[in-house]
Amino acid sequence: GNSVTQMEGPVTLSEEAFLTINCTYTATGYPSLFWYVQYPGEGLQLLLKATKADDKGSNKGFEATYRKETTSFHLEKGSVQVSDSAVYFCAPGSEETDKLIFGTGTRLQVFP
Amino acid sequence: DAGVIQSPRHEVTEMGQEVTLRCKPISGHNSLFWYRQTMMRGLELLIYFNNNVPIDDSGMPEDRFSAKMPNASFSTLKIQPSEPRDSAVYFCASDSRVRGSNEQFFGPGTRLTVL
Repeated sequence: GNSVTQMEGPVTLSEEAFLTINCTYTATGYPSLFWYVQYPGEGLQLLLKATKADDKGSNKGFEATYRKETTSFHLEKGSVQVSDSAVYFCAPGSEETDKLIFGTGTRLQVFP
Repeated sequence: DAGVIQSPRHEVTEMGQEVTLRCKPISGHNSLFWYRQTMMRGLELLIYFNNNVPIDDSGMPEDRFSAKMPNASFSTLKIQPSEPRDSAVYFCASDSRVRGSNEQFFGPGTRLTVL
């Protein structure tokens, strides 16, 4: 079945630093790919998504590109802010079921 | 739209008691998911429904857990009897099953503490 491997955290950065959180997956076919973010004390919310190969999802300065060749969907941001401190989840979908396969989550801590 | 609604937001109970968690999905969504999140095990899918029918309950930890979806706008997750190891945040999510999307919308969660 589908699986996902996500960079372990915590990732600790200073404000305005560049962020990369790696995500690779195995899947049957070409499912949609998602990044979710969970702020402290809240539920998960969609950050960005890409539905086909070479698509780039973007939101709030974050970007991720659907790389079919490397089965990756790495999350990047050029300049992080303290308010970006949260847990980030990579989640490929499935062409056969309605399930999302969530990674273990990567905690990002940004310090001023 | 109010989003996915869960109640209660916090529940504290004693071991052995019955606990019922409630979820109202987004109107028009026809898939509903129950997740559990703990520090040790991360985010786990417990069960999901399509059109009110349970499709995959392989994540339900044991017979003490049960879930129902009597109609398109309401679902419950029941734990009976509850145990301290059930302490976790339980999330409900829904999606509209648009082909090629799988985008799920999460509720704020219910934080359960079993003493």
